[in-house]
Amino acid sequence: GDKVKQSPSALSLQEGTNSALRCNFSIAATTVQWFLQNPRGSLINLFYLVPGTKENGRLKSAFDSKESYSTLHIRDAQLEDSGTYFCAAPPGGRALIFGTGTTVSVSP
Amino acid sequence: EAAVTQSPRNKVTVTGGNVTLSCRQTNSHNYMYWYRQDTGHGLRLIHYSYGAGNLQIGDVPDGYKATRTTQEDFFLLLELASPSQTSLYFCASRGTNLSNERLFFGHGTKLSVL
Repeated sequence: GDKVKQSPSALSLQEGTNSALRCNFSIAATTVQWFLQNPRGSLINLFYLVPGTKENGRLKSAFDSKESYSTLHIRDAQLEDSGTYFCAAPPGGRALIFGTGTTVSVSP
Repeated sequence: EAAVTQSPRNKVTVTGGNVTLSCRQTNSHNYMYWYRQDTGHGLRLIHYSYGAGNLQIGDVPDGYKATRTTQEDFFLLLELASPSQTSLYFCASRGTNLSNERLFFGHGTKLSVL
């Protein structure tokens, strides 16, 4: 089954609105990373998290290792936030396993 | 920001052809990875390495070889390419300390096997 499950699979947002993406783990994750694949295909590292929260501009992420989930909040969505968001975690600490992504479309 | 350089950016070959994808990182990272990305499957790990001369098998290794010649350079080899290997390939690297465990990707190589 899916070791890293993301929801929702797709999301449509209007500019200026807020939303949350979720990542559930069926592996013992001690860290999590979030990436954005932009429309040009580049994969950008947004966050590296140990249990707790981090904020970067309009993005905020939280990771609860005991409950095995992580969230990514987008505040005041902008057109440039469009793309596919991936979460990933390393079982056993070596190679990251990726979720299948949440595709976010922000419209004016 | 960490730099990972892949080459070529695009490659077209025929079934049975021999292809080498190159990746170089200048971040002094120990770990390097090769992933393939396909619609409906997300990113899947092919091979990875934690240092020069080391190779670890990933989740979808069949049909691929890899070699880590130096700390900086990691190559993916397709010796008898098949159409099922048409994909977008990403190389990535990371360190092993809490301060540099973030994973950084190259821009990707689009491979078409005809």
